Amino acid sequence: AQSVTQPDIHITVSEGASLELRCNYSYGATPYLFWYVQSPGQGLQLLLKYFSGDTLVQGIKGFEAEFKRSQSSFNLRKPSVHWSDAAEYFCAVGARKTGANNLFFGTGTRLTVIP
Amino acid sequence: SQTIHQWPATLVQPVGSPLSLECTVEGTSNPNLYWYRQAAGRGLQLLFYSVGIGQISSEVPQNLSASRPQDRQFILSSKKLLLSDSGFYLCAWSKGGLYVGEPQHFGDGTRLSIL
Repeated sequence: AQSVTQPDIHITVSEGASLELRCNYSYGATPYLFWYVQSPGQGLQLLLKYFSGDTLVQGIKGFEAEFKRSQSSFNLRKPSVHWSDAAEYFCAVGARKTGANNLFFGTGTRLTVIP
Repeated sequence: SQTIHQWPATLVQPVGSPLSLECTVEGTSNPNLYWYRQAAGRGLQLLFYSVGIGQISSEVPQNLSASRPQDRQFILSSKKLLLSDSGFYLCAWSKGGLYVGEPQHFGDGTRLSIL
């Protein structure tokens, strides 16, 4: 069965500092992986996705993520954080099958950005 | 382009009252549709998903039900709300049919408070 672990519940970084949010997944084959961002009281917005090919994936808002099969990880990074990046971030894994594209979400990491 | 609409944005209901939340998608046909609940400080819990009209799959036993009367309409209902039904409800869609590993796209959510 698929599962996702986001070990950091809350991270605080200074504006302009680099950011890395951790995500570990459990899946029996090569998964589909996603990162979403959620601002307070809003829905989730897709940041980036990994299907196959290049293991370094570029997304919106200057984010990138790297798929590491040997570590079952898909960590999200940004070289310089902006105050507007403060939000909740969710990692998700999906199965490679047709029909319902069900995703399994981690419990999220809340990012606080300090001036 | 595709859009997803959820309403109402906020709802306050007494215990024991009925519930109807509606979600519609525009700009696509035969989407997969999903209902999630997000409790405060928790991740997303998949409640229901649908791959076609009248086809509903339930992920967890609960006081809620879902229906899909039209291709791009997904409704979440309850006959009698419980205090534990409070939360943030999110509707999402993804490409249906033979597409594999498609991301889900979320609405802005409904904040449901039970008194």
